[in-house]
Amino acid sequence: EAQVTQNPRYLITVTGKKLTVTCSQNMNHEYMSWYRQDPGLGLRQIYYSMNVEVTDKGDVPEGYKVSRKEKRNFPLILESPSPNQTSLYFCASNGADTQYFGPGTRLTVL
Amino acid sequence: AQSVAQPEDQVNVAEGNPLTVKCTYSVSGNPYLFWYVQYPNRGLQFLLKYITGDNLVKGSYGFEAEFNKSQTSFHLKKPSALVSDSALYFCAVRKYNFNKFYFGSGTKLNVKP
Repeated sequence: EAQVTQNPRYLITVTGKKLTVTCSQNMNHEYMSWYRQDPGLGLRQIYYSMNVEVTDKGDVPEGYKVSRKEKRNFPLILESPSPNQTSLYFCASNGADTQYFGPGTRLTVL
Repeated sequence: AQSVAQPEDQVNVAEGNPLTVKCTYSVSGNPYLFWYVQYPNRGLQFLLKYITGDNLVKGSYGFEAEFNKSQTSFHLKKPSALVSDSALYFCAVRKYNFNKFYFGSGTKLNVKP
């Protein structure tokens, strides 16, 4: 089954404690993205990757890092999380015509 | 700048009545247009897309959308709403030959029995 998986689904952490949210897709897609969803703002792209070792900033990259060492994996790294990064995060990968989304990670930073 | 607007934060409709969720866009060139639905505690699910061809596009769960180039709109419609259609709906646009998607702010659809 074609899918995008994310882990963890829920995470509560404290300010400054580094964390990583994993994302994996099994569709051999080249283009992958991370979004954050906040009420009234829709989805905003954080980072994207066009292929292995090729990443670039999206619209709201501050405070985030990514890596793309393998085609299937695209982890999102928060080196020093802050409360304003409390949000719902989605990983997505692009097929020929549309995007496939992971189930989301709800992050709370205290 | 590219943008997508969903002018209504919320749409309320009675079950059995027709529904419309509005979307307008501002993208240069020939856009690809999409609708996604998000149920509570779930990721976004693809509903339908317009790439080219017939302006009326049919998608999943009885939804359809009409592309209007002159009005730069892509409104989502359904002839007869169900309570189970209650969810958050996102319009998205992608420029031809580019991978980046632009999303609207979302419209919450409430279908009352």
